[in-house]
Amino acid sequence: DAKTTQPTSMDCAEGRAANLPCNHSTISGNEYVYWYRQIHSQGPQYIIHGLKNNETNEMASLIITEDRKSSTLILPHATLRDTAVYYCIVRVDLEAGNMLTFGGGTRLMVKP
Amino acid sequence: GAVVSQHPSWVICKSGTSVKIECRSLDFQATTMFWYRQFPKQSLMLMATSNEGSKATYEQGVEKDKFLINHASLTLSTLTVTSAHPEDSSFYICSARDPRTSGGATQYFGPGTRLTVL
Repeated sequence: DAKTTQPTSMDCAEGRAANLPCNHSTISGNEYVYWYRQIHSQGPQYIIHGLKNNETNEMASLIITEDRKSSTLILPHATLRDTAVYYCIVRVDLEAGNMLTFGGGTRLMVKP
Repeated sequence: GAVVSQHPSWVICKSGTSVKIECRSLDFQATTMFWYRQFPKQSLMLMATSNEGSKATYEQGVEKDKFLINHASLTLSTLTVTSAHPEDSSFYICSARDPRTSGGATQYFGPGTRLTVL
């Protein structure tokens, strides 16, 4: 699976949009981009994933560049409860046995 | 999203005892489950991949005789830490692959089990 690079930490004001970048310059054509987050002392929570097109769900939006070498996770209106470590992972989706490999992630601090 | 549960959420045990952790997929069938371990201020590290009806696949450096994994049904996998020692104290997290999702393999995680060995 391709390696990802994320900033170690970011701050965001409550109510503002949080834009979390991720570089994955070696991504292959069949690799998906996944985003998870982990709130302190909890298991990771799935947020969103995409292959080529931008994606949006009730939690966030995922913007993938045309060359697919980078992506941005957008939390449109960050709240204090969005304070967490956010992981960007690229992975080939196969039928079986393909686990997620976690890097260091971005520690997002949402401030009042 | 799909729901994965773990039990217990925390456990304290004496050194030398064994501890069993259960992981269940509540609203989907999971042929593949994964066990991770997380030490303080570190990222998740994969321990093993658990496949229903077959032996688990362990990552390099993980002792299969110490961390026994059983995936007896499509909704349940168990991790037993045998002869636990203080260095096994950690946050253990399971995940299950939901085959219904686009791309075939979004993983959903349980809430984790904090093990403290005295």
